[in-house]
Amino acid sequence: RKEVEQDPGPFNVPEGATVAFNCTYSNSASQSFFWYRQDCRKEPKLLMSVYSSGNEDGRFTAQLNRASQYISLLIRDSKLSDSATYLCVATSGYSTLTFGKGTMLLVSP
Amino acid sequence: NAGVMQNPRHLVRRRGQEARLRCSPMKGHSHVYWYRQLPEEGLKFMVYLQKENIIDESGMPKERFSAEFPKEGPSILRIQQVVRGDSAAYFCASSPWTGEAYEQYFGPGTRLTVT
Repeated sequence: RKEVEQDPGPFNVPEGATVAFNCTYSNSASQSFFWYRQDCRKEPKLLMSVYSSGNEDGRFTAQLNRASQYISLLIRDSKLSDSATYLCVATSGYSTLTFGKGTMLLVSP
Repeated sequence: NAGVMQNPRHLVRRRGQEARLRCSPMKGHSHVYWYRQLPEEGLKFMVYLQKENIIDESGMPKERFSAEFPKEGPSILRIQQVVRGDSAAYFCASSPWTGEAYEQYFGPGTRLTVT
């Protein structure tokens, strides 16, 4: 079983739409969770950490459900510049990050 | 504050040659991580180092791959006798401290092509 699973997409949405991505993780010992964004052939960039209480950063909202081992990312009012691959990440052990394969988002005019 | 630096950005090697990839962490960061991203695959952890110490190399292939982070200078990921399957993007990340609630910042990566 894959450690972090995501729907690969692509998710095609118009500008201004709200879109949600989900992710599940298998390691119940994982303590910290993140969403990274990766543009084509570029490095991953940290988008936000994910906390049990849920957290919001502008148009982005992340939620964590430890009981279901489930993480979500909600993007409101999508912009063309939001087009990218969104990587769900869980910590594994002391120091390592386990990445999902990513969900591709395409925002069209 | 310069970010994580990696060089070269692109590296072409023939089968059997050696590849040396360099990573300079962000200023003030003493923890370095290497990840590999194969085409159409997610990033996979390879190794975690602090200055002069390998902390976790559970993701490193058993043969041909080695990593170091000397007291002075960049971290080096070394691949001996490269094969076509080594072609991938190799990303380095750094963090200022370790523990469960840390954040890692990635360099631009080195794209290795083995011909």
